[in-house]
Amino acid sequence: GQQLNQSPQSMFIQEGEDVSMNCTSSSIFNTWLWYKQDPGEGPVLLIALYKAGELTSNGRLTAQFGITRKDSFLNISASIPSDVGIYFCAGQVDSSYKLIFGSGTRLLVRP
Amino acid sequence: EADIYQTPRYLVIGTGKKITLECSQTMGHDKMYWYQQDPGMELHLIHYSYGVNSTEKGDLSSESTVSRIRTEHFPLTLESARPSHTSQYLCASSDYRGQETQYFGPGTRLLVL
Repeated sequence: GQQLNQSPQSMFIQEGEDVSMNCTSSSIFNTWLWYKQDPGEGPVLLIALYKAGELTSNGRLTAQFGITRKDSFLNISASIPSDVGIYFCAGQVDSSYKLIFGSGTRLLVRP
Repeated sequence: EADIYQTPRYLVIGTGKKITLECSQTMGHDKMYWYQQDPGMELHLIHYSYGVNSTEKGDLSSESTVSRIRTEHFPLTLESARPSHTSQYLCASSDYRGQETQYFGPGTRLLVL
């Protein structure tokens, strides 16, 4: 079945550093979503991307929908301790209501 | 901020008990979903619904069942809980308009002893 490859699996960075993570697939998606999940909580939607090439920002977060429609990246600038959590990408394949989720990127920020 | 609620948030129960996990949303979304997630791992779709009286099994086989009698309510039931059912269960909903954007509830953490 379809799969999303999300990398890196984990990151341990210094407060103030920028962070970049990405998801790739062999399938073409028509929607890319980025979520953040805190321990014991549900994923919270950060950014939704609906068009190839689209670049969208939400505060210190920026995400792009790859031009080939097979990848997406999320950047976090000037990280702070509350950025700690697991970040998931999710993609919607054409003609399906279902989302496919990446395996997550665990972010740790050292104060 | 999504208005989707799950109860209970935490449940510890003995083997063989019947349990129902509640999920409700006040956004009028037609589509609702149940995912199972082990801590820190990826999400697996176990059930979904496109609207009232519509339910389908997801990609991950599950012994649970669901019902959708009202638009806002999508409960999940386990007739006889087992330790292998220990996990986090996440409910989500979406208002599909050509492109899918799902909003999640806070989850129910289930521990079966």
